[in-house]
Amino acid sequence: ETGVTQSPTHLIKTRGQQVTLRCSSQSGHNTVSWYQQALGQGPQFIFQYYREEENGRGNFPPRFSGLQFPNYSSELNVNALELDDSALYLCASSRTSGLRDTQYFGPGTRLTVL
Amino acid sequence: GENVEQHPSTLSVQEGDSAVIKCTYSDSASNYFPWYKQELGKGPQLIIDIRSNVGEKKDQRIAVTLNKTAKHFSLHITETQPEDSAVYFCAASYNFGNEKLTFGTGTRLTIIP
Repeated sequence: ETGVTQSPTHLIKTRGQQVTLRCSSQSGHNTVSWYQQALGQGPQFIFQYYREEENGRGNFPPRFSGLQFPNYSSELNVNALELDDSALYLCASSRTSGLRDTQYFGPGTRLTVL
Repeated sequence: GENVEQHPSTLSVQEGDSAVIKCTYSDSASNYFPWYKQELGKGPQLIIDIRSNVGEKKDQRIAVTLNKTAKHFSLHITETQPEDSAVYFCAASYNFGNEKLTFGTGTRLTIIP
């Protein structure tokens, strides 16, 4: 186990709704990255947060937004849900220190949009 | 941006035999290459990684090789066991992992008892 926790484990929403997913990083880690993993595919980078600011973003629309809190935990918010947003959402934490900083993943939140 | 290709998509080997999974990357600026194992219903678990200044790294039954010139890297699992059955992902990153990981499409490895 990595020490990265995510909640909830499963979520069902309808198209047009909004959702908030949560992540607690591993102890000593100050950076959180979010990934979307569609069924049968590799994870796709959404964005990364470091020192409570967005530090890089993948090819996702603005309705995907996030926050990082002083304790380094993070939230992913998705507005105006679409059917294609159905996926496993993964949070990864790491410790940015100028050296190699491996990203450790949580178990994910399975989002289903109906 | 970076693009990572992974082959094969599925692989079945007899227990005790070796398994090899190969990946190629497009951006010569990538310098960090981790491998993750994902079991059903779980998040990806790091199993081994390699930096661009190293050509090979080994950890017990698992090894990774990197050819920077050809821009490809491979995962080698020897003496395979049933618990090695899972989906394996390669990934590439800049800045030694401080930035986003670009993943391959995954290889479903099945170990036949």
